Amino acid sequence: DAGITQSPRHKVTETGTPVTLRCHQTENHRYMYWYRQDPGHGLRLIHYSYGVKDTDKGEVSDGYSVSRSKTEDFLLTLESATSSQTSVYFCAISETLTSGTGGNTIYFGEGSWLTVV
Amino acid sequence: AQKVTQAQTEISVVEKEDVTLDCVYETRDTTYYLFWYKQPPSGELVFLIRRNSFDEQNEISGRYSWNFQKSTSSFNFTITASQVVDSAVYFCALKGNAGNMLTFGGGTRLMVKP
Repeated sequence: DAGITQSPRHKVTETGTPVTLRCHQTENHRYMYWYRQDPGHGLRLIHYSYGVKDTDKGEVSDGYSVSRSKTEDFLLTLESATSSQTSVYFCAISETLTSGTGGNTIYFGEGSWLTVV
Repeated sequence: AQKVTQAQTEISVVEKEDVTLDCVYETRDTTYYLFWYKQPPSGELVFLIRRNSFDEQNEISGRYSWNFQKSTSSFNFTITASQVVDSAVYFCALKGNAGNMLTFGGGTRLMVKP
């Protein structure tokens, strides 16, 4: 099993409050990702990181920000939570990209259930 | 743009039946990677297989088999002699040659009844 820990695993918060989800890895992998899972949409990429302080937007980045100050930690912040951000959030990691390949497998954490009321 | 389509949103079978989950993808990349993940009721995502676009050989792992056909842009997943423990949501995903991100299909919920 990939060493990925997400916290908190479950959270209920009120609309308008800030929320931070944490992803911690013990694998020293370069790439880290935040996905959200919603019925009928599968998993959609929010943000990803390709190194310390190197991040980029994914498909559904509006309303979210991320930070990666250490290799092992990738934080997802909802600055002002809305009900549309009620979802299951998955962190994922992948191995260092080997030149000329790109076929790394991506492993997922156990998910964080966020409810915005 | 990349796209993965899993047209079957839900499938229900009786134990011991064979079942095939369909996955159709779109990409402009000549090199790409296809994945299947299983999400059991407990919620975690379990990696099942990764297939490179330059390797069309089908793969079998126990009761699981995967049929990759470039000509039809499909990467179908068959479970032989299904069991109740196979009940889960199954996701097909695609990674292009550029970047290191997965594009997921909407998932297929498989229910295996005893």
